[in-house]
Amino acid sequence: NAGVTQTPKFQVLKTGQSMTLQCAQDMNHEYMSWYRQDPGMGLRLIHYSVGAGITDQGEVPNGYNVSRSTTEDFPLRLLSAAPSQTSVYFCASSFLSGTHVYEQYFGPGTRLTVT
Amino acid sequence: AQTVTQSQPEMSVQEAETVTLSCTYDTSESDYYLFWYKQPPSRQMILVIRQEAYKQQNATENRFSVNFQKAAKSFSLKISDSQLGDAAMYFCAYRSADFGNEKLTFGTGTRLTIIP
Repeated sequence: NAGVTQTPKFQVLKTGQSMTLQCAQDMNHEYMSWYRQDPGMGLRLIHYSVGAGITDQGEVPNGYNVSRSTTEDFPLRLLSAAPSQTSVYFCASSFLSGTHVYEQYFGPGTRLTVT
Repeated sequence: AQTVTQSQPEMSVQEAETVTLSCTYDTSESDYYLFWYKQPPSRQMILVIRQEAYKQQNATENRFSVNFQKAAKSFSLKISDSQLGDAAMYFCAYRSADFGNEKLTFGTGTRLTIIP
């Protein structure tokens, strides 16, 4: 089991460029999500998905797009990067909780700098 | 909306001593879950301990334990016999108990330094 993998680990973009942050998990988790971590602000939810074909917005969705065509992959797209999107991005996944609370597994993060 | 507050941006403790990290939260829900995550310099988010709100008994995981005060909406983390490897950012997080609502709401974190 590789767990949750994210690529790339580091990225520098110029303002206006686009890119896709990749996230994959091999645990057959239904739930996947993206967070951003900024100094002094903790982690904030960007988008999430409860299964293939289903996505929804989190707390800070503006400037980001997602899709979920397979259970395993949940890419995050920045269409036109802005300096305000400089952050560390984490992907997380878990089974959907019912009577049992499942642990969310986090990827290693991607540090993105927009100049 | 739920909020999580960690009022201690930084804490330090002597190796082998005990330290307590504070967390308060605000919610109108009666059933929820609370977590403490550790983030070492590697950036990896590691689950330390979790507490179900319906359980009165405080959770314990080896040297880590919590003091859960539901009425006061307080959820502190106690680390006993502190070790150098405990140095990290610690985040408190809240999750609703609603089915399918896996969203975690995080506090702003406490940076813990261990003094040898």
